[in-house]
Amino acid sequence: GAVVSQHPSRVICKSGTSVKIECRSLDFQATTMFWYRQFPKQSLMLMATSNEGSKATYEQGVEKDKFLINHASLTLSTLTVTSAHPEDSSFYICSANLRLAGVLDTQYFGPGTRLTVL
Amino acid sequence: AQSVTQPDIHITVSEGASLELRCNYSYGATPYLFWYVQSPGQGLQLLLKYFSGDTLVQGIKGFEAEFKRSQSSFNLRKPSVHWSDAAEYFCAVGAPNFNKFYFGSGTKLNVKP
Repeated sequence: GAVVSQHPSRVICKSGTSVKIECRSLDFQATTMFWYRQFPKQSLMLMATSNEGSKATYEQGVEKDKFLINHASLTLSTLTVTSAHPEDSSFYICSANLRLAGVLDTQYFGPGTRLTVL
Repeated sequence: AQSVTQPDIHITVSEGASLELRCNYSYGATPYLFWYVQSPGQGLQLLLKYFSGDTLVQGIKGFEAEFKRSQSSFNLRKPSVHWSDAAEYFCAVGAPNFNKFYFGSGTKLNVKP
């Protein structure tokens, strides 16, 4: 099946620093990628939709200046957590829509990035 | 409003026993339905999906799910559970253009030896 990768898988940073997480679609092009956040023992919460070549669309309540999203190519989206604080510690998961012959097939998920802010 | 309900937070079954995980949805149009599985510290793996056609869909790892429009349900089943099936299972509804996915709260499956 289609593969979506994330890097890094784990990151620990100090409060006040910025952290960049990469999401790549390895064997397909994705015009749309998504960023989710998952708290312990909870479901996924959609943070934003990342559109190649245009601005991301953020869900209500998500600070766009804090969670910067860049979708510079058809295979790469990045999420930068700026001025991270301990409450930003979470599991961040990206996903990408796979199209087969131009038809939407499904959404594939990356393995996630565990962010810990000290 | 769109929503997905997984009424069982935890389920424990014995290895070799059958399994059914429940999922009910509320969606204003024809739903695109998915089941994903998540192992601890991992991302989500697609088990199966339903878009249209035969309401009984087969997935990977021996899982199947049945779409019942009258009950707004998409329950996941497996005839004989293996210890490696222990994980968290998420049901999801997708908008037709896949620009929104609505996830249930998940069901954690424990498998007794």
